[in-house]
Amino acid sequence: QVQLEESGGGVVQPGRSLRLSCAASGFTFSTYGMHWVRQAPGKGLEWVAVISYDGRTQYYADSVKGRFTISRDNSKNTLDLQMNSLRADDTAVYYCAKRGNSGQYFQHWGQGTLVTVSS
Amino acid sequence: AIQLTQSPSSLSASVGDRVTITCRASQGISSALAWYQHKPGKAPEVLIYDASSLESGVPSRFSGSGSRTDFTLTISSLQPEDFATYYCQQFNSFPITFGPGTRLEIK
Repeated sequence: QVQLEESGGGVVQPGRSLRLSCAASGFTFSTYGMHWVRQAPGKGLEWVAVISYDGRTQYYADSVKGRFTISRDNSKNTLDLQMNSLRADDTAVYYCAKRGNSGQYFQHWGQGTLVTVSS
Repeated sequence: AIQLTQSPSSLSASVGDRVTITCRASQGISSALAWYQHKPGKAPEVLIYDASSLESGVPSRFSGSGSRTDFTLTISSLQPEDFATYYCQQFNSFPITFGPGTRLEIK
């Protein structure tokens, strides 16, 4: 079965960097686009970024554009999110998600990793 | 960016009730809409995709309808495990956007 496991969350000071990873298994990772989605405390879901199956195309939410970079390693079945210049409002649970077969909805999700940006 | 609104923002209902949640898009999105159920401390789960397609393994009491700008999620007979927050999401174009959520509570 599809499994997605995020890691790398923690407490970080404003302005610093953090790198999240997502280990994928149970499907042919190299054939699916992958996403990051987050949920700030007490808030709704917010899409963060997407990367195409081959890594050639990425899109970002305006709130993270220029600060976050999504990448993937199809040889290792891993998805990453490099987060720079972190701000307090980046505090959230970050989920990696696999796109659906018929479109860019989120068919499978990891359990999430908490990122807290605080001094 | 395409804006999604949901109504109601919260809802109290009883086991066995029929419940309808609506989602409206700020511009036409064809049928590129999904619905999710989210419980505290757990990952969201997709219920409906392509506006009306039931995800595998999701109980048939969940159904979706609509196209272009107006969509509905219906739960035909509420079960205790259905009390959660529900989100719509459009995937017609980037940036992908979610509705603000509908919190479904036990009456």
